[in-house]
Amino acid sequence: AQSVTQLGSHVSVSEGALVLLRCNYSSSVPPYLFWYVQYPNQGLQLLLKYTSAATLVKGINGFEAEFKKSETSFHLTKPSAHMSDAAEYFCAVSRDQAGTALIFGKGTTLSVSS
Amino acid sequence: GAVVSQHPSRVICKSGTSVKIECRSLDFQATTMFWYRQFPKKSLMLMATSNEGSKATYEQGVEKDKFLINHASLTLSTLTVTSAHPEDSSFYICSWAETGGGGTQYFGPGTRLLVL
Repeated sequence: AQSVTQLGSHVSVSEGALVLLRCNYSSSVPPYLFWYVQYPNQGLQLLLKYTSAATLVKGINGFEAEFKKSETSFHLTKPSAHMSDAAEYFCAVSRDQAGTALIFGKGTTLSVSS
Repeated sequence: GAVVSQHPSRVICKSGTSVKIECRSLDFQATTMFWYRQFPKKSLMLMATSNEGSKATYEQGVEKDKFLINHASLTLSTLTVTSAHPEDSSFYICSWAETGGGGTQYFGPGTRLLVL
């Protein structure tokens, strides 16, 4: 069965510092992988997704993630954190190849200090 | 991305009553949509998958008679929590999905349910 593990429930960085949010997955089929962000009182918003094209995926707001099959990882990075990046981040894997049902990780809260 | 609304944004009800949550896709039509439940500091838990014109498929452990889903159209779905109990208090989130594997889901802002 598919699963997602997000290492670190809370990550704190300084403004301008590198952001690294870790995600490892388990999937019995070639996975589709997603990162979503949730701001307070808003719905989840897609940051980026991997659908078996380029392994380095660029998303919105300067975020990117690299699919590493050998490490079963899909870590999210941003070179320079901004205060507005403070939010909850969720990594998700598709449950199967045909459909769109997602299995989510438990989320990582990103705090950015000035 | 597509805009999805949920109504109400929060609701308080007495134990034993039923509550209906509405989910609308304002600018996106989709055959498939999902209902999730989110606990504090926890992940989203998929409750059911709904395809327009078909009965919803519920995840293991989710009572279909308690959580009634009506997928009325390509842009409207409702979740009714019947005979609500305090343990049903949670954050309920809907999403509408692009067709096919790897399709993006567009999420509503969620509905906070508190059952007294």
